Amino acid sequence: QVQLVESGGGVVQPGRSLRLSCVASGFTFSNYGLHWVRQAPGKGLEWVAVISYDGNHKYYTDSVKGRFTISRDNSKNTLYLQMNTLRSEDTAVYYCAKDGNRVFDYWGQGTLVTVSS
Amino acid sequence: DIVMTQTPLSSPVTLGQPASISCRSSQSLVHGDGSTYLNWLQQRPGQPPRLLIYKISNRFSGVPDRFSGSGAGTDFTLKISRVEAEDVGVYYCMQATQYPHTFGQGTKLEIK
Repeated sequence: QVQLVESGGGVVQPGRSLRLSCVASGFTFSNYGLHWVRQAPGKGLEWVAVISYDGNHKYYTDSVKGRFTISRDNSKNTLYLQMNTLRSEDTAVYYCAKDGNRVFDYWGQGTLVTVSS
Repeated sequence: DIVMTQTPLSSPVTLGQPASISCRSSQSLVHGDGSTYLNWLQQRPGQPPRLLIYKISNRFSGVPDRFSGSGAGTDFTLKISRVEAEDVGVYYCMQATQYPHTFGQGTKLEIK
């Protein structure tokens, strides 16, 4: 069965960096695009970024452009999100989601990032 | 960016009764390939989102047939034919036609 397991969240001061990981299993990782979606406490869902199956195409929401970088290692079945210059408004649960042709068909359990001094 | 607007934002429903959620997009969701990438997600309390319906009306694997989706262009609807206790949660429409992908505000379904 498809599994996506995020890790790397925690408490970090404003302006610092954090790297999230998402380890996948149960499907051919290198065949699918992957997304990061976040959810601030008590709020709705916000799409963050996507990476194509081969890593050659990436798109970001405007609020994270230039600060966040999505990447993947197909040899390790792992998706990453490098988050730099973090702000308080980046505080959220971060989910990775598998892209089944523009369908977010499987989601991880999420990892909480708290940006606070 | 495409704005997704859901109504209502809260829906108290009696068990066994139907429920309906509307979703309107600020522009057409028809992609250049002819498909309409409008999906519906369910988020139960304390859980990650879960895909219910994709491309307007296709139920995802394991989703009960009391859930159905309909619509076209900019207007879409999620219907639950008979609400069960396990349906409590927040429902989101989302568009994956254009980047950035965007979500509706969410509709909270609760039992009266």
